[in-house]
Amino acid sequence: DGGITQSPKYLFRKEGQNVTLSCEQNLNHDAMYWYRQDPGQGLRLIYYSQIVNDFQKGDIAEGYSVSREKKESFPLTVTSAQKNPTAFYLCASSIGGDASGANVLTFGAGSRLTVL
Amino acid sequence: GQNIDQPTEMTATEGAIVQINCTYQTSGFNGLFWYQQHAGEAPTFLSYNVLDGLEEKGRFSSFLSRSKGYSYLLLKELQMKDSASYLCAVRDSNYQLIWGAGTKLIIKP
Repeated sequence: DGGITQSPKYLFRKEGQNVTLSCEQNLNHDAMYWYRQDPGQGLRLIYYSQIVNDFQKGDIAEGYSVSREKKESFPLTVTSAQKNPTAFYLCASSIGGDASGANVLTFGAGSRLTVL
Repeated sequence: GQNIDQPTEMTATEGAIVQINCTYQTSGFNGLFWYQQHAGEAPTFLSYNVLDGLEEKGRFSSFLSRSKGYSYLLLKELQMKDSASYLCAVRDSNYQLIWGAGTKLIIKP
């Protein structure tokens, strides 16, 4: 079955360390996204990519970095510059990045990062 | 600024009907989405409205009024498995998704 796989599901990090969250999809979707989910807030977009080797900053990109070297993969690195990284991170994909039609997002199961 | 408002939490009884409201103030409108998210899991797509009116899909229906900046999700014949958070999201004039904080629905037997 096609879907999105995020790993690890739980991750603990010491302050000052970078961590990378993995996101892999086998849906043949062109567009991929990273969101951050915090209690009491709506999903906030960190980065998105509409095609391979190209990505754009979302609303809260500071302290994060991404790469899109393959269509299937869109890893997110949480750097030590991110001041409050403890959160639930969701990766998503859609058929295309354009806005026509519903352009439904398919989400991964999420990665919960805790900074100790 | 852009804003999506939903009730934080609602409680309903198994077998009953519940309506979850969503009001929005955004820079333009290009569609409204509802997603369901069980605790600690991935959000899953429920419905999409771009024109005014009611969209029915089994036990779930979604309504949109663009002039009022208002939508609701109607869940009928509630089941225990419907206990989840329901997320409302609006696509604005730049085709960016603006998300509400979600409504946690608790179903009691």
